[in-house]
Amino acid sequence: SQLAEENSWALSVHEGESVTVNCSYKTSITALQWYRQKSGKGPAQLILIRSNEREKRNGRLRATLDTSSQSSSLSITATRCEDTAVYFCATDASGSWQLIFGSGTQLTVMP
Amino acid sequence: ETAVFQTPNYHVTQVGNEVSFNCKQTLGHDTMYWYKQDSKKLLKIMFSYNNKQLIVNETVPRRFSPQSSDKAHLNLRIKSVEPEDSAVYLCASSLQGAHGNTLYFGEGSRLIVV
Repeated sequence: SQLAEENSWALSVHEGESVTVNCSYKTSITALQWYRQKSGKGPAQLILIRSNEREKRNGRLRATLDTSSQSSSLSITATRCEDTAVYFCATDASGSWQLIFGSGTQLTVMP
Repeated sequence: ETAVFQTPNYHVTQVGNEVSFNCKQTLGHDTMYWYKQDSKKLLKIMFSYNNKQLIVNETVPRRFSPQSSDKAHLNLRIKSVEPEDSAVYLCASSLQGAHGNTLYFGEGSRLIVV
């Protein structure tokens, strides 16, 4: 079973709108990471938020982490068409020699 | 800027053939990984190596075998491919382990088995 899971399979918004992708996980973690994968490319990290952090920002991106409810969110403001991608949350499993990815959320930003 | 290089990008082969995918990273990282991504975009870890040593070997069929000549290279060989092996194989590297470290991915090698 997945140790991390996004809560939506697909989302669509119009350019300029804000969107939030949610993630829940099942294990204690060192950090939770958000990745984005554009069509034909490998995943690329957006934000790494450590277990002692509650919020992290990267430009238009904001990630939150709630270790008590084992959940995280990634918010994107002022979305652009180029934000269209699959968004994954990922956690390090016990032993920490692998990163376990959620099933991903397909975000489509329409003009 | 790509620092994890995979070849080939795309490969079509018949059931029963052998295929190999190559991966090289120029980041000076100690840990490398192979992930399999299916048609639904699910990413599953297959193997991870640290400094040429096998660390993680998830339950994958025995026809899959990783090969590491040095810590910058991790290849993946598939003997006698099956239709369910059709997928994108993604190579990644990290500084040392996944413990709070970023994974850097290549662009993937798409395998189609006919």
